[in-house]
Parts: sequence; structure tokens; C-alpha cells
Amino acid sequence: DAGVIQSPRHEVTEMGQEVTLRCKPISGHNSLFWYRQTMMRGLELLIYFNNNVPIDDSGMPEDRFSAKMPNASFSTLKIQPSEPRDSAVYFCASSFSGSYNEQFFGPGTRLTVL
Amino acid sequence: TQLLEQSPQFLSIQEGENLTVYCNSSSVFSSLQWYRQEPGEGPVLLVTVVTGGEVKKLKRLTFQFGDARKDSSLHITAAQTGDTGLYLCAGVGGGGADGLTFGKGTHLIIQP
Repeated sequence: DAGVIQSPRHEVTEMGQEVTLRCKPISGHNSLFWYRQTMMRGLELLIYFNNNVPIDDSGMPEDRFSAKMPNASFSTLKIQPSEPRDSAVYFCASSFSGSYNEQFFGPGTRLTVL
Repeated sequence: TQLLEQSPQFLSIQEGENLTVYCNSSSVFSSLQWYRQEPGEGPVLLVTVVTGGEVKKLKRLTFQFGDARKDSSLHITAAQTGDTGLYLCAGVGGGGADGLTFGKGTHLIIQP
């Protein structure tokens, strides 16, 4: 099994540009989570999907952030327009049936907004 | 509001020493997970504790869940350089969130 796949691994962009982060969960997992990690705030849950449906998006910082899961094998997190304070490592994780079971994390995307 | 407080934030000790790190909260969790994260990688699950008072052992690592299911500790015996990493605790089912609520972690460095 390839594990959770995220792309790109690194992204450097300028303020105001659109950024799209991609995630392929582990086959057979029906829950997908997007997290953001910074030194100041640690690891924060942004949004959680179950069976491709957004269940909890209370962690999404503001309207500039949006996430989609068009099918069971693909999800995107989009930031438009990006700002320097969005710089962080963004992780995608998947699990079978929610957070009560082990979450498997991808390697993360390190985003730098100049 | 940080639901899970981890202490210490940073810890550097010599190989062979013992250590304990803590994870405390005012919230009750249905279960609590401990993850370890290495630089450039995502967190990897070490253990899940579910029952108040539960103790789980994973080789030299001992995990304990508080009786009230609000706090937990991780004890490492005879630390090795390979134990170096960021140790994160994560609560499940607290504060109304469906995802995991993570602490900020303990950065552990084991020096040879």
C-alpha cells in the first residue's frame, strides 16, 4: 500500500496567488482529514470528510480556504488568495470510519507564501 | 483555546536516562492517542488508550490514561537516540470536534 499521497511536497508562491494542495487517501479509507501545522499553533484540524461529505469545517480559517472531495480517492485544499500567514505544513490524513480509528498521515506539503 | 496542554515543550537528555512527558486537559475524551513525528514526515500513531486508568506498554514506552480520561503520560525507559522526535497527544471526542484535537507536542532530543 502506498500510504497517503500528497502533492506537491513543497510550494513557494507569492501573496495573492491561488494555491491548490492535493491528497490521495489510502484505498478503502472513508474518512479524510486536512490539518495545518505551525510552530506557534501546533497541528490544527481544518476540515473532515466522511464518505466524501464534509462533516466538520469549523477549523477552516476563513473564506479564502476551501476543500473538496469529488470522489473517494481524491481531495483538494485550495487557498485563494494566499497570504504570508498561511505559510505552514499542510497534512492530509485518512482513516477507516472516523477519528476513533488510527489516522494515517501523508508526508505533508510545506507551503511558503512570500 | 488549547484543549490539550503538553509538557515539557522541549526536552533534551542523555541516552540511557528515563523521562516522562505529560498531556493534560480540562476536557474529557473518549480516547486518547499518542503520535510520534520525525522531521519532514507526518505523525505516526504509537498507541490509543481508551479506558480510564489504562496502562499500555510498547517496548520501552509506557502510556497511561488518567482515571478521569482528561490526562495522559508517556514514560520512556533508557532512552535511545532513535527516540528523538516530536511526541504529540491527541484527544478523540472532546470539545465537540470530530477530528483529533492535538496538543502542541513535546520536542524530545536524546543525545548520545
